[in-house]
Amino acid sequence: GNSVTQMEGPVTLSEEAFLTINCTYTATGYPSLFWYVQYPGEGLQLLLKATKADDKGSNKGFEATYRKETTSFHLEKGSVQVSDSAVYFCALIPSDYKLSFGAGTTVTVRA
Amino acid sequence: NAGVTQTPKFRILKIGQSMTLQCTQDMNHNYMYWYRQDPGMGLKLIYYSVGAGITDKGEVPNGYNVSRSTTEDFPLRLELAAPSQTSVYFCASSDQLGTTNEQFFGPGTRLTVL
Repeated sequence: GNSVTQMEGPVTLSEEAFLTINCTYTATGYPSLFWYVQYPGEGLQLLLKATKADDKGSNKGFEATYRKETTSFHLEKGSVQVSDSAVYFCALIPSDYKLSFGAGTTVTVRA
Repeated sequence: NAGVTQTPKFRILKIGQSMTLQCTQDMNHNYMYWYRQDPGMGLKLIYYSVGAGITDKGEVPNGYNVSRSTTEDFPLRLELAAPSQTSVYFCASSDQLGTTNEQFFGPGTRLTVL
């Protein structure tokens, strides 16, 4: 079946530190890959996406590259801010269109 | 646009009680979804709908029912609440069912069953 495995948290960083959250997936066919972010007290928002191999999604300084050979979609940001504190979810949409989520990684950025 | 709205924000139920979680979207999306989010787990799909009058089961449908009488509304019904249904519930919608299409999420309903 389809599944997403992402790095366990929580992750605590200082401002301006480099952030990486690992995400690997298992899926049949050619899924699209997503990162969603959930700020405290809010619903999930799409952060970025990639729809085919070698695509790079980017938004708000975050980037992730769709790596088919390693079945990965790691999220990175070069210099985090306090406002980046949130829960980050890796997700995929496979050929049956049912979105599958990872467990989420809680990131806390300290000033 | 308000996007996807959900009511209530919080609710405490006793075992065996019933309730309906409301979800409304104003984006004229055909596709709507209900998920539950348990601590330390990703979201799991409960039910989804591809249009008014058409619904289908997701990964964890037991104990829930849905209906879709209009494009805008997709209520989720719990008939006999159980402690295992304590969770945060998210409604979402999308304009297409393709693999590339973003789902838009509501703010969630936090339900506790005691």
